[in-house]
Amino acid sequence: ETGVTQSPTHLIKTRGQQVTLRCSSQSGHNTVSWYQQALGQGPQFIFQYYREEENGRGNFPPRFSGLQFPNYSSELNVNALELDDSALYLCASRQSTGARFDEQFFGPGTRLTVL
Amino acid sequence: QKEVEQNSGPLSVPEGAIASLNCTYSDRGSQSFFWYRQYSGKSPELIMFIYSNGDKEDGRFTAQLNKASQYVSLLIRDSQPSDSATYLCAVKGFQKLVFGTGTRLLVSP
Repeated sequence: ETGVTQSPTHLIKTRGQQVTLRCSSQSGHNTVSWYQQALGQGPQFIFQYYREEENGRGNFPPRFSGLQFPNYSSELNVNALELDDSALYLCASRQSTGARFDEQFFGPGTRLTVL
Repeated sequence: QKEVEQNSGPLSVPEGAIASLNCTYSDRGSQSFFWYRQYSGKSPELIMFIYSNGDKEDGRFTAQLNKASQYVSLLIRDSQPSDSATYLCAVKGFQKLVFGTGTRLLVSP
């Protein structure tokens, strides 16, 4: 157990719908990153939040958006769902210290299926 | 060319053997490299990280880095059936980790 929790565990939506995924970061961590992992692929970076501001974004369209709250928990919102959005969505948190390496801890993920 | 490349496998080794997992990366300026293990249906967990050329050992695991060849490897000695998983190589980019597709390792008893 990493102390990072995600909800829901599984979710089934239909094409065109909207979805919100939630992540509670490990205590003391100020940075949250979201990744999408399609079946048989490695995780792909969606975006990162540091102290409630987005400070990094991967190659994902604007219909992928997020929030980070004052307690450093986070949401990932996906609008106008497409079939290709079916994947495991991973949240990872860490305490950004400016050191060369701050280990990030992954949550258990949310499995999203779009029909 | 993908940023981080791995052979998808599966790599099959008998129990007790050495498993060798390889990864190449395209950004010559990359400085930090990571190996994650991911069991089926679970999230990735960090096994090793390495910054400097050469070998880094931690128990049964050894990470090897050759920046001139843009090559990272992970050796698992005395492989156990519990090591059967997908091993993801990751390279630190700006504000993110860039992952390969992973190599599936199968250790047979």
